[in-house]
Amino acid sequence: SQKIEQNSEALNIQEGKTATLTCNYTNYSPAYLQWYRQDPGRGPVFLLLIRENEKEKRKERLKVTFDTTLKQSLFHITASQPADSATYLCALDRGSTLGRLYFGRGTQLTVWP
Amino acid sequence: DAGVIQSPRHEVTEMGQEVTLRCKPISGHDYLFWYRQTMMRGLELLIYFNNNVPIDDSGMPEDRFSAKMPNASFSTLKIQPSEPRDSAVYFCASSGLALGDTQYFGPGTRLTVL
Repeated sequence: SQKIEQNSEALNIQEGKTATLTCNYTNYSPAYLQWYRQDPGRGPVFLLLIRENEKEKRKERLKVTFDTTLKQSLFHITASQPADSATYLCALDRGSTLGRLYFGRGTQLTVWP
Repeated sequence: DAGVIQSPRHEVTEMGQEVTLRCKPISGHDYLFWYRQTMMRGLELLIYFNNNVPIDDSGMPEDRFSAKMPNASFSTLKIQPSEPRDSAVYFCASSGLALGDTQYFGPGTRLTVL
């Protein structure tokens, strides 16, 4: 089965710095990789999707990279703000009819002023 | 759209009791997913439906768990009998036509089994 590892359980950075979160996976390569944000007491919220044939995807202050050779995705938040504090989850699927979405355990990001 | 709706938001019950969790997906979405989240195991997929038909229930922990989707706008997850180890947050999510599409999660039901 697919194994997903997110770099650490918690990451603390100062406001204004760039936060970099890592998602590593084993076994087969996914057709898609997605990043979600989860705030306490709420369900995950979709942020970005990147396909296997894409190297990079950007959305405002967010950037995702996807390296299928390293089996790794990096998630960057530039000019971080305290409001970015949350847990970030990566999720993989195979784009096939099997359809399971595998989630990592998440990285809890805290941005302090 | 109101998004995915789940009820109840919190449920406290005693071991051995039956628990029913409810979900209303986003209108027009063809896929519905039930997840369970705990500190120990993270977010686990329990079962998912496509056009009201269960496609993969291999994540359902045991026979005490069952899920139904009688129509496109309603699904239930039932635990009978409940046990303390079932305590977790249960999420329902829905997505559009293409598998791999963005999933929209509900607010979750926090279940505590005493």
